[in-house]
Amino acid sequence: DAKTTQPTSMDCAEGRAANLPCNHSTISGNEYVYWYRQIHSQGPQYIIHGLKNNETNEMASLIITEDRKSSTLILPHATLRDTAVYYCIVSTLNTNAGKSTFGDGTTLTVKP
Amino acid sequence: GAVVSQHPSWVICKSGTSVKIECRSLDFQATTMFWYRQFPKQSLMLMATSNEGSKATYEQGVEKDKFLINHASLTLSTLTVTSAHPEDSSFYICSVWVAGFYNEQFFGPGTRLTVL
Repeated sequence: DAKTTQPTSMDCAEGRAANLPCNHSTISGNEYVYWYRQIHSQGPQYIIHGLKNNETNEMASLIITEDRKSSTLILPHATLRDTAVYYCIVSTLNTNAGKSTFGDGTTLTVKP
Repeated sequence: GAVVSQHPSWVICKSGTSVKIECRSLDFQATTMFWYRQFPKQSLMLMATSNEGSKATYEQGVEKDKFLINHASLTLSTLTVTSAHPEDSSFYICSVWVAGFYNEQFFGPGTRLTVL
């Protein structure tokens, strides 16, 4: 799996949008971009994934650049409960997709 | 979505004893499950892939004789930490990859192991 790079930490004001960047310059054509988050002392939670088109669900939006070398996760209205470590991962959809390589992620702190 | 449970959620044991951690896939049959380990303030590290009905495959540097994995059914995988030592104290997390409609990884809540 391709490696990703993310900023170590970010702060966001409650109610504002949180934009979390991720670089994946060596991503392969069949690899998807996945985002998970981990709240302290819990298992990671799936947020969203995409291949090349922008995606949106009830939790977040995912913006992938045209060259697919980077992406941005957007939490439109951050709440205190969104404080967590956010992981950006690239992965195929085959049976080994669960063998995810987690980087250090971005620690997002949402402040009142 | 799929629900993955782990038991126990936390365990404290004495050095030299063995500890078994269960991972259950409650909604989906899982021929493959994954075990991760996470030390404090570090990221998740994949330990092994648990395969139903066959031997687990371990990542480089993970001792297979120390971390015994059994995947006897499509809904249950167990990780046994044998002869545990304080350096094995960690957060152990299992996961299930669900293809098709979801195409996402579902993680268990984790098990906190403390070895005294």
